[in-house]
Amino acid sequence: EVQLVESGGGLVQPGGSLRLSCSASGFTFSSYAMHWVRQAPGKGLEYVSAISSNGGSTYYADSVKGRFTISRDNSKNTLYLQMSSLRAEDTAVYYCVKAVWYYFDYWGQGTLVTVSS
Amino acid sequence: DIQMTQSPSSLSASVGDRVTITCRASQGISNSLAWYQQKPGKAPKLLLYAASRLESGVPSRFSGSGSGTDYTLTISSLQPEDFATYYCQQYYSTPHFGGGTKVEIK
Repeated sequence: EVQLVESGGGLVQPGGSLRLSCSASGFTFSSYAMHWVRQAPGKGLEYVSAISSNGGSTYYADSVKGRFTISRDNSKNTLYLQMSSLRAEDTAVYYCVKAVWYYFDYWGQGTLVTVSS
Repeated sequence: DIQMTQSPSSLSASVGDRVTITCRASQGISNSLAWYQQKPGKAPKLLLYAASRLESGVPSRFSGSGSGTDYTLTISSLQPEDFATYYCQQYYSTPHFGGGTKVEIK
């Protein structure tokens, strides 16, 4: 059974940093690109970032480019999202997502990041 | 980027109704379209991909159609567990989601 479990969310002040983790199991993690999708409270889904299976290629939405860094450790089956210079508009539930090509077949339960003073 | 416009943004329907949700892409996406269902407090769930292919385990009352820029999700007979928000997503280029359609009980 595929499982994706996010952790690391919480309350952070504007300008602060946070690192999200996603522990994966039930599939060959190192064979799949992985993604982060976020959802602001009461809003729709926003595609945030992606990383190739070997970590050699990454993508960032314009809204987070230069502030967020995606990475992975295939030996630990873990995906990361390092977030810095956080803004109020980064407040959202962040989902770790596995994809088949670029549609998303498995989602984690999400972790809430709240940016507020 | 290819933008997705979903309509309506909300609808009210009764159990047993046939429900149709539409998604329009800003340019052709060659059936590279997925549909998701999201219930409050839960992660989205994949329903269909490639515009019309049903994900394993999804009830057959859900179907998808379309081509080019215009796509449709149909629920043939709405069930109580189908009241949720539905999102389309194109993956022809950088993934982008539609704004969502909330299906509420009439």
